[in-house]
Amino acid sequence: EAQVTQNPRYLITVTGKKLTVTCSQNMNHEYMSWYRQDPGLGLRQIYYSMNVEVTDKGDVPEGYKVSRKEKRNFPLILESPSPNQTSLYFCASSLSGGLGTVNSPLHFGNGTRLTVT
Amino acid sequence: ILNVEQSPQSLHVQEGDSTNFTCSFPSSNFYALHWYRWETAKSPEALFVMTLNGDEKKKGRISATLNTKEGYSYLYIKGSQPEDSATYLCAFWIYNQGGKLIFGQGTELSVKP
Repeated sequence: EAQVTQNPRYLITVTGKKLTVTCSQNMNHEYMSWYRQDPGLGLRQIYYSMNVEVTDKGDVPEGYKVSRKEKRNFPLILESPSPNQTSLYFCASSLSGGLGTVNSPLHFGNGTRLTVT
Repeated sequence: ILNVEQSPQSLHVQEGDSTNFTCSFPSSNFYALHWYRWETAKSPEALFVMTLNGDEKKKGRISATLNTKEGYSYLYIKGSQPEDSATYLCAFWIYNQGGKLIFGQGTELSVKP
């Protein structure tokens, strides 16, 4: 089944303890991206990747890192999480990178609810 | 700062009503606009990808139009059903910024039987 898989679905952690949220897609998609969803603020883009080894900042990249060493995986890394990073996170992918990116719909993972105490 | 606004924020209608909502975006930076439907406890799902001024797309009872010159897109639902209850999001792709996009805050639709 074609899908975007995020893990874990739920995570409770403490301030300062490094964590990684994994994202994997099995559709050979070139474009992958991360979003956070907060009440009243909608979905905000954190980072995106147009292809392997190509990543760039979205609107709210502070406090996050990403890597794209292989096409299928795009992990989100919080080196030192803080309470203001408590949020619902979504990973998404689409078929085309480059100029075709905007013509391809995004496929979303199931979300990761992160709580930082 | 680029702003994408959706209105209304929420809408309550009766089953069978037709409804529409708006996504407004900066026309000078237009690259593409997507519409997504987001049901509670699920993930957003794509409805439409729109790239050309005057585009009209349709999927069943849901349709969308695009006006890039004036910077807006309308989403229409004909004869709303309870299963249409969801949040509808528009996503604005920024011209000349690769894969960067901005989501509107969404319109939350509730359809009562």
